[in-house]
Amino acid sequence: QKEVEQNSGPLSVPEGAIASLNCTYSDRVSQSFFWYRQYSGKSPELIMSIYSNGDKEDGRFTAQLNKASQYVSLLIRDSQPSDSATYLCAVRTGFQKLVFGTGTRLLVSP
Amino acid sequence: EAQVTQNPRYLITVTGKKLTVTCSQNMNHEYMSWYRQDPGLGLRQIYYSMNVEVTDKGDVPEGYKVSRKEKRNFPLILESPSPNQTSLYFCASSLTGSNSPLHFGNGTRLTVT
Repeated sequence: QKEVEQNSGPLSVPEGAIASLNCTYSDRVSQSFFWYRQYSGKSPELIMSIYSNGDKEDGRFTAQLNKASQYVSLLIRDSQPSDSATYLCAVRTGFQKLVFGTGTRLLVSP
Repeated sequence: EAQVTQNPRYLITVTGKKLTVTCSQNMNHEYMSWYRQDPGLGLRQIYYSMNVEVTDKGDVPEGYKVSRKEKRNFPLILESPSPNQTSLYFCASSLTGSNSPLHFGNGTRLTVT
């Protein structure tokens, strides 16, 4: 079982819709969770961090964490074509190691 | 401007010719790390450093060396590059390495022929 799993996609949504990106992790004692966005050929950039159960909102982005289910998600409201990118989930495990998923490619069509 | 600077951005070399990729950060971060990114495999950690003179192996350290003589610099050394080290490399830093998020450099695309 991979430490951090994401569906590779692509996830296709129309402009204005809600995009839902999901991530599961295997280490039950993981404490910190991050979502990065990566445009093709560019470096990852941090979108959200979340540390406790529940929802955290920042503009059009909402991160959701459920530690009991070992699940973290990212919702993007009012999706724009400029949101088309690969979204990387990263989890800091109990060994203080940051593990990245392989990413979900999001395509937002005009 | 707060940033992580990697050089060079692109590098083409031949098997066995030693090379160094430099990384520097101006944010006084304690934690620095090197990743390689390959299609289908995602970001994999090569080496990391918790502070000056403190380095440790990540998931894929074979064929690489690092040093952390100064807080701001964390060079990646390939003593004898091989074609399987052709990849996109990222240097990253964070304030403490525990709950603080990573800041990435712009990447170095390395091709070894």
